Amino acid sequence: DTEVTQTPKHLVMGMTNKKSLKCEQHMGHRAMYWYKQKAKKPPELMFVYSYEKLSINESVPSRFSPECPNSSLLNLHLHALQPEDSALYLCASSQGTGNYNEQFFGPGTRLTVL
Amino acid sequence: AQSVTQLDSHVSVSEGTPVLLRCNYSSSYSPSLFWYVQHPNKGLQLLLKYTSAATLVKGINGFEAEFKKSETSFHLTKPSAHMSDAAEYFCVVSPYGQNFVFGPGTRLSVLP
Repeated sequence: DTEVTQTPKHLVMGMTNKKSLKCEQHMGHRAMYWYKQKAKKPPELMFVYSYEKLSINESVPSRFSPECPNSSLLNLHLHALQPEDSALYLCASSQGTGNYNEQFFGPGTRLTVL
Repeated sequence: AQSVTQLDSHVSVSEGTPVLLRCNYSSSYSPSLFWYVQHPNKGLQLLLKYTSAATLVKGINGFEAEFKKSETSFHLTKPSAHMSDAAEYFCVVSPYGQNFVFGPGTRLSVLP
């Protein structure tokens, strides 16, 4: 299984809602990532988990809260988002965090904040 | 600081003609380099990667890229474009000890 899955595919939420994005991989990868991608732009790194521990937080606002319950799962909890947070949220995984490791990307969750 | 330049924001080719997407990078150490493709409303798919082995790298779907250290370039080529190649292409540099640095992307259009 060489796939990263993400649910839901689409999500519409109000600014007072709480929602979660889910990401799963069964490749035995020990590094997992959250990216945010705005239209016509490259992905921007948000968080990196290595061996289920948060290793990088790229100064992301606290209304985004990542969680790694086990080595196969990665969640992104959303609370009190702003309309400018509307974007495609991509999850990725890699064997490790060495620079030679390619990242495998999921299809993304298209988030709209009203 | 590491950076990636993709010299063309948009490339348009006719079906059956060659594709050239240009990428230049700056990096303090020998980096790993990747090309990813993203079709509309999809995730990113790895086309190929360079990790200090052979300088000519073959990828999926007939794509290949050549690492030229003296020119700090990693251009992506394909001999004959297909309609299904129309997508956004990202060149990525992965410096030692750091995370992915994405180029701004090149949109490839393929005309019938």
